[in-house]
Amino acid sequence: EDKVVQSPLSLVVHEGDTVTLNCSYEVTNFRSLLWYKQEKKAPTFLFMLTSSGIEKKSGRLSSILDKKELFSILNITATQTGDSAVYLCAVVRGSNYKLTFGKGTLLTVNP
Amino acid sequence: DGGITQSPKYLFRKEGQNVTLSCEQNLNHDAMYWYRQDPGQGLRLIYYSQIVNDFQKGDIAEGYSVSREKKESFPLTVTSAQKNPTAFYLCASSMPSGGPTGELFFGEGSRLTVL
Repeated sequence: EDKVVQSPLSLVVHEGDTVTLNCSYEVTNFRSLLWYKQEKKAPTFLFMLTSSGIEKKSGRLSSILDKKELFSILNITATQTGDSAVYLCAVVRGSNYKLTFGKGTLLTVNP
Repeated sequence: DGGITQSPKYLFRKEGQNVTLSCEQNLNHDAMYWYRQDPGQGLRLIYYSQIVNDFQKGDIAEGYSVSREKKESFPLTVTSAQKNPTAFYLCASSMPSGGPTGELFFGEGSRLTVL
């Protein structure tokens, strides 16, 4: 059975801290791994990763994929209260590009 | 502006009633999806459609039905057979059929509460 496991499930930090969110997966016919940020309603796209070892970066956020060990991490440096959200990891698999989502990590950044 | 519109945003129904959630997109995407989100459960796939007049069951299709008569529209009916229908429902689309990126574009969601 295909699995996507995120850890931790929740995390509380102070503004300015650096956080690392984890996503491990076991899926057949892996195609890509996606990270989304969900604040209240619609998840918004952050990164797509297809190749191992190539870091994707956007401002204070960065992400990398390890296809040998089957995991990805999402780093957020100098966290701000606006980073508080659920971060979702999803893996695209199969010939029909189905997505399997993890349960998400709830990040709370306190001032 | 292009996007995905879900309606209604909030819906209350009595147990035993069927309800239909609307999802419309003007992104010219081929594929559309319905996900259910419960606290602590992440997103679970209910149904998806890669092309007009065709759709497939996802991981939790029991108690739900869909149609795809037009490219722009993918309504979801929550039937009385769904045992725990209270949830947040998200519609998404992608082009084409997930494509090489697999990136989904999401609507704002519909929160269904069954009393």
